[in-house]
Amino acid sequence: DSQMTQSPSSLSASVGDRVTITCRASQSIRNYLNWYQQKPGKAPKLLIYAATSLQSGVPSRFSGSGSGTDFTLTISSLQPEDFATYYCQQSYSTLVTFGQGTRLEIK
Amino acid sequence: EVQLVQSGAEVKKPGESLKISCKGSGYTFTNYWIGWVRQMPGKGLEWMGIIYPGDSDARYSPSFQGQVTISADKSISTAYLQWSGLRASDTAMYYCARHLGHSGSDFWGQGTLVTVSS
Repeated sequence: DSQMTQSPSSLSASVGDRVTITCRASQSIRNYLNWYQQKPGKAPKLLIYAATSLQSGVPSRFSGSGSGTDFTLTISSLQPEDFATYYCQQSYSTLVTFGQGTRLEIK
Repeated sequence: EVQLVQSGAEVKKPGESLKISCKGSGYTFTNYWIGWVRQMPGKGLEWMGIIYPGDSDARYSPSFQGQVTISADKSISTAYLQWSGLRASDTAMYYCARHLGHSGSDFWGQGTLVTVSS
């Protein structure tokens, strides 16, 4: 199974900032990479699937890119409701694995 | 409307057994995998395993193989996560999610908090 490494582990930013989170797989996972947002006390929410596809209902300020082993999640203009923890997930195999998470905090 | 509704919080003693549930509605339960995810206090998400309710094909992540049992009863659209001997280290929030395979997990249950303490 592929190991997923996210960076940074935490990030401070301001409303309106452009933010990028990266995720690296230990082996090629083609484009089978998903991104989730989790707020405290809540279940994760799917934002991006298959590396670049925006899940229904997710604001267009979220975008994903990458293929193979290197992927990014970009938030084009941070909104107050975006402060949360973000996880990448590889779904190349049924042995799904998550990254360790990136905590996005208000500066 | 797709919904996954999980059973309520549990407080157990070490060594006790436990079975928590995840009931699906608003879609054809037998056509989608259900995954289970552990989140220990203050920690990240860990994928435990998945089950296909149509034929009860269950697969486990190596870290959880032999530690838990995942099952499903398609007649009542419910998936289960079961322990035969709980440990304090099983204290965590457990989520079920509808898993689309390569396209991720699109609907999640609200979570079941399991606390194991003597």
